[in-house]
Amino acid sequence: DQQVKQNSPSLSVQEGRISILNCDYTNSMFDYFLWYKKYPAEGPTFLISISSIKDKNEDGRFTVFLNKSAKHLSLHIVPSQPGDSAVYFCAASASGYALNFGKGTSLLVTP
Amino acid sequence: GAVVSQHPSWVICKSGTSVKIECRSLDFQATTMFWYRQFPKQSLMLMATSNEGSKATYEQGVEKDKFLINHASLTLSTLTVTSAHPEDSSFYICSARPTANYGYTFGSGTRLTVV
Repeated sequence: DQQVKQNSPSLSVQEGRISILNCDYTNSMFDYFLWYKKYPAEGPTFLISISSIKDKNEDGRFTVFLNKSAKHLSLHIVPSQPGDSAVYFCAASASGYALNFGKGTSLLVTP
Repeated sequence: GAVVSQHPSWVICKSGTSVKIECRSLDFQATTMFWYRQFPKQSLMLMATSNEGSKATYEQGVEKDKFLINHASLTLSTLTVTSAHPEDSSFYICSARPTANYGYTFGSGTRLTVV
């Protein structure tokens, strides 16, 4: 049973615009959320995280928003760059246990 | 810091043989390591949690006799795919986090192809 869901398998955005990647979860015990970027045949690379005590965390061009009541989080990339093209995974954990991943969203940033 | 090294990056083996994948934490000690498997266009699925000095904890549906996990030291966990079959072909990734924080770090993954 998929506890973390990314319902958009792909997203295409023009360079310079905002990319918004969405993620929903079902387990209310999740207290830590992360976004990873992954290129083919490589391990995921950590991007940004947020704990359940916050509703927003910002790091440069990346901002993650958490809406606990809706069990929803999103990753905003502003401005989007062609080098951001990759698969983005949303992940969540409960009390530091293993990560539960969504299926990923493939982002394509076009020039 | 917090680097996880995974070897090999890719391996091709014949059906019926066994393959060992190593995961090392290079600059920290990891009492717990996680093994994931990814099928094409699918999520990373947790296979098992490797615990230093004790038995691994397997997720439901993962055959413990087929996917042998050994975590003999604080810096090394191994996953052995025994009697591999073509359906075991996949991308396997390990992960660890330095104790007392949430910094999950991933290895670069191993592409296993069973022919």
